[in-house]
Amino acid sequence: DQQVKQNSPSLSVQEGRISILNCDYTNSMFDYFLWYKKYPAEGPTFLISISSIKDKNEDGRFTVFLNKSAKHLSLHIVPSQPGDSAVYFCAASSDDKIIFGKGTRLHILP
Amino acid sequence: DSGVTQTPKHLITATGQRVTLRCSPRSGDLSVYWYQQSLDQGLQFLIQYYNGEERAKGNILERFSAQQFPDLHSELNLSSLELGDSALYFCASSQWTSGEDEQFFGPGTRLTVL
Repeated sequence: DQQVKQNSPSLSVQEGRISILNCDYTNSMFDYFLWYKKYPAEGPTFLISISSIKDKNEDGRFTVFLNKSAKHLSLHIVPSQPGDSAVYFCAASSDDKIIFGKGTRLHILP
Repeated sequence: DSGVTQTPKHLITATGQRVTLRCSPRSGDLSVYWYQQSLDQGLQFLIQYYNGEERAKGNILERFSAQQFPDLHSELNLSSLELGDSALYFCASSQWTSGEDEQFFGPGTRLTVL
């Protein structure tokens, strides 16, 4: 039972354009949603988070949107840069657990 | 460099054996989390400790156990190893225990069970 789903295993985007990574969840009890980025041979690093009481959070080139009625969140990266090529994990947390999606591999094309 | 250290970096062992993975959290962080990343399962949360006490439990097998010591470092013990236990094991730390806390991940330990 996958409570957090990232349905696109990979995504290719032209440099300078917008990258949109999607994530769906099933449990309405999650309080926070987080995005992590992972380069090969390294541990994941935190990117941005959003509380369930908000619908948008922005940090530089990264914006996370939360649609609670649809149980959907998305990460927008604009403009996309070569260093953004990585695997992106969506995570949802409640008081007693954190669930990660399987990740989406983002390729930024020159 | 996240400030979280994990040892060893690689571990190769045989089925039926027992191994211990070690994690030192960032200075000042009280929470330690353990994750397993296998090829088809993404990042699976195993267990969390906060200031020496078990705080939350995820998909951790009974063959696996963990503890957090008074100096806040943590160990993950994996016993009766099976081929399917081959995976990357990550440790992460955070300052507190809130679900919104940013977690800082170590570089991982790659376990290969032959």
